[in-house]
Amino acid sequence: GAVVSQHPSRVICKSGTSVKIECRSLDFQATTMFWYRQFPKKSLMLMATSNEGSKATYEQGVEKDKFLINHASLTLSTLTVTSAHPEDSSFYICSARDYGHSAGGYNEQFFGPGTRLTVL
Amino acid sequence: GQNIDQPTEMTATEGAIVQINCTYQTSGFNGLFWYQQHAGEAPTFLSYNVLDGLEEKGRFSSFLSRSKGYSYLLLKELQMKDSASYLCAVQDSNYQLIWGAGTKLIIKP
Repeated sequence: GAVVSQHPSRVICKSGTSVKIECRSLDFQATTMFWYRQFPKKSLMLMATSNEGSKATYEQGVEKDKFLINHASLTLSTLTVTSAHPEDSSFYICSARDYGHSAGGYNEQFFGPGTRLTVL
Repeated sequence: GQNIDQPTEMTATEGAIVQINCTYQTSGFNGLFWYQQHAGEAPTFLSYNVLDGLEEKGRFSSFLSRSKGYSYLLLKELQMKDSASYLCAVQDSNYQLIWGAGTKLIIKP
């Protein structure tokens, strides 16, 4: 199947600093990538949909100025958490759709391994 | 509103069979996914159903009834490594995934 990588896997930062998370599709081109966050024992919460070459679409309640998304190429999307605070500590996961690998047209999402962010 | 319901937690015995149910109410329907997620890891794809009926894939099977807004994931010959959370997700009319909260499956020897 299609492979999605995410970097870093774990980051600890001080409050007020900014953190950039990279999401890459390694063996396919992803016109659409998704950013999720997940709190312990909770489901995935979609933050935004990232489309190559255009502005991301943010879900209601997600601050676009705080969570900056850039999808500069067909294989890379980045999420920058600006001026991070302890409440931003979470598990951030990206995913990508690979229409070329989808059988039957169901367009499954392939997930990156996730980034554990801890803000002190 | 859109809603996906699945049990919070289930316990089963190694070698047994377990069925995890999922009911949904969404604006439109373009398929239902089941994902497996081990603690601290990202979800991995298990199955997809868009038509009514049973899809079998090895030890795992998934069933869908669109008229009832209902699906289940059936796991046979349970192994300890099957201990994980199982996420039900429905693709709505905009092809956006609506996620359930997940079912934590605990396998006991």
